[in-house]
Amino acid sequence: KAGVTQTPRYLIKTRGQQVTLSCSPISGHRSVSWYQQTPGQGLQFLFEYFSETQRNKGNFPGRFSGRQFSNSRSEMNVSTLELGDSALYLCASSQRGGNTEAFFGQGTRLTVV
Amino acid sequence: GENVEQHPSTLSVQEGDSAVIKCTYSDSASNYFPWYKQELGKGPQLIIDIRSNVGEKKDQRIAVTLNKTAKHFSLHITETQPEDSAVYFCAASMNFGNEKLTFGTGTRLTIIP
Repeated sequence: KAGVTQTPRYLIKTRGQQVTLSCSPISGHRSVSWYQQTPGQGLQFLFEYFSETQRNKGNFPGRFSGRQFSNSRSEMNVSTLELGDSALYLCASSQRGGNTEAFFGQGTRLTVV
Repeated sequence: GENVEQHPSTLSVQEGDSAVIKCTYSDSASNYFPWYKQELGKGPQLIIDIRSNVGEKKDQRIAVTLNKTAKHFSLHITETQPEDSAVYFCAASMNFGNEKLTFGTGTRLTIIP
């Protein structure tokens, strides 16, 4: 069974630009969550989607948005990039979210210059 | 919201010895507690989890204990091996409209050959 696939693995963007990251969950999983990982703040929850609906959102500005498609694939978008958005962005999939097992992808390393 | 504290931040043990990592959580509504192992350049890997209706769970050299009254849970690794060297994260989550993982700050475990 294929794991969680995130693309691209690495990205370099300039301040002010926008970026879209993609996540393909494990087959059969309907919940996709996004996390930002930085050395200073650790792993922080961005948002969670289930059956194309955003169920939860973390404490991030509105520049961070996401969506989920009918095949459960998810994308997250960051607009007007800032230097502080440089981070590893991780996607996790699970069958139902909540207290079900969540499996992470390798992440997308975003560098904003 | 939920807050998870993790200790120690770094831990070095001789190969073959045991390692213990401890976490405390703040919200008594949390009912699911996974542990993740993250190696350099990779996403977090789920290694064991425990639910609030269980006090202890074991999988080969890895065990997790949960004390609901004290709101703390611990990871125990016995007979440590060099490949156990990594960063370990504890997390907590709950259901019913709050489907997200709140992570501890991580423990860098180094196994000394």
